[in-house]
Amino acid sequence: AQKITQTQPGMFVQEKEAVTLDCTYDTSDPSYGLFWYKQPSSGEMIFLIYQGSYDQQNATEGRYSLNFQKARKSANLVISASQLGDSAMYFCAMREALGTTSGTYKYIFGTGTRLKVLA
Amino acid sequence: KAGVTQTPRYLIKTRGQQVTLSCSPISGHRSVSWYQQTPGQGLQFLFEYFSETQRNKGNFPGRFSGRQFSNSRSEMNVSTLELGDSALYLCASSLGGTGSGNTIYFGEGSWLTVV
Repeated sequence: AQKITQTQPGMFVQEKEAVTLDCTYDTSDPSYGLFWYKQPSSGEMIFLIYQGSYDQQNATEGRYSLNFQKARKSANLVISASQLGDSAMYFCAMREALGTTSGTYKYIFGTGTRLKVLA
Repeated sequence: KAGVTQTPRYLIKTRGQQVTLSCSPISGHRSVSWYQQTPGQGLQFLFEYFSETQRNKGNFPGRFSGRQFSNSRSEMNVSTLELGDSALYLCASSLGGTGSGNTIYFGEGSWLTVV
């Protein structure tokens, strides 16, 4: 079963408008982390924002915010005031523990959403 | 502060050859992990090294191997290359601790084409 699901293969948004990229996840681990990365055509994965499972408030980083709804197991990325440079692939990822004693984690990535910002 | 550096950025190899990719993590980061990204399979975890020891491994054949040096730099090697190994190989580094905020930061990747 998919642990990270991004149901939007592609999205369009008008410049200066806000856009929401969807992400749902599945885990039985009570302690986990959720991440969003941006991948331009150059290939580099750029870290955008992090949300911990115990964080009470939604994470924000500049124009990026994470709409964390724990009961629904969703972690949607909201980009406000879209810019042309926001056009890229966006990946949602989850970090969960490998075991109770190993102290190591694994990261699982979704299939990504390609965002195109229109001038 | 320098980011994660990967070399080479682009390379073309022939089937049956081997390839070595290099990754220098962010200064102070002790964990280095490798991912393969293809259009069909997406991002797949290869392995992770921490303090020169492999502590986590993905589901890839033994042709894929790696190592980490005492300065935390890492290399991955793919032997007997196959056409299906053509991919973007991404290296990521992190502090490697058990804290919940342990974020992985990626390099620009190495684009490998096998012909």
